[in-house]
Amino acid sequence: DVKVTQSSRYLVKRTGEKVFLECVQDMDHENMFWYRQDPGLGLRLIYFSYDVKMKEKGDIPEGYSVSREKKERFSLILESASTNQTSMYLCASSYIGMGNYGYTFGSGTRLTVV
Amino acid sequence: KNQVEQSPQSLIILEGKNCTLQCNYTVSPFSNLRWYKQDTGRGPVSLTIMTFSENTKSNGRYTATLDADTKQSSLHITASQLSDSASYICVVGPTGTASKLTFGTGTRLQVTL
Repeated sequence: DVKVTQSSRYLVKRTGEKVFLECVQDMDHENMFWYRQDPGLGLRLIYFSYDVKMKEKGDIPEGYSVSREKKERFSLILESASTNQTSMYLCASSYIGMGNYGYTFGSGTRLTVV
Repeated sequence: KNQVEQSPQSLIILEGKNCTLQCNYTVSPFSNLRWYKQDTGRGPVSLTIMTFSENTKSNGRYTATLDADTKQSSLHITASQLSDSASYICVVGPTGTASKLTFGTGTRLQVTL
């Protein structure tokens, strides 16, 4: 089975801290994604990457950056955490093409910024 | 604007009963529709995925239907179990890039004794 692993289930950070969320997938997927999920809003795409060192902005990139130095790892960075970034963060990965089959999510990181 | 609307927002049923969740979408061009199950505090897990040419797909007690003409899908759960308590999310993908999935806000299902 494809595994998408997020490094932390729960994180509590202070306002202004730099925060790193890590995601690793083990199925050689080209695409990787970061979403945030808030009640009543559904999942919203922050950034995605279709190859090493490649990145594209999603719908809500402000306040975030990403890094993909290796194919299996995709990091989300909150440069200066703010309370409105308290949310559930979900990483996903998929193959290029194939109608996006194999789209798999990690277990999520619940981030609280205080 | 691409949209996915799910109904009801929440639902409570007795264990052993059946239920049906609805999904209406306005995504264009349409390629595929997926249903995910998300347990509280966990990531979504895929239940079914259908292309525009398929009108039904089953995964155990879960059966999804798709009417691409009316842009509607439903997820039917048969003989519900306590472990079915979760949010069910409808996700629609257009043709082309993987980044353009549109997510519904989900239906929260609670199965009780």
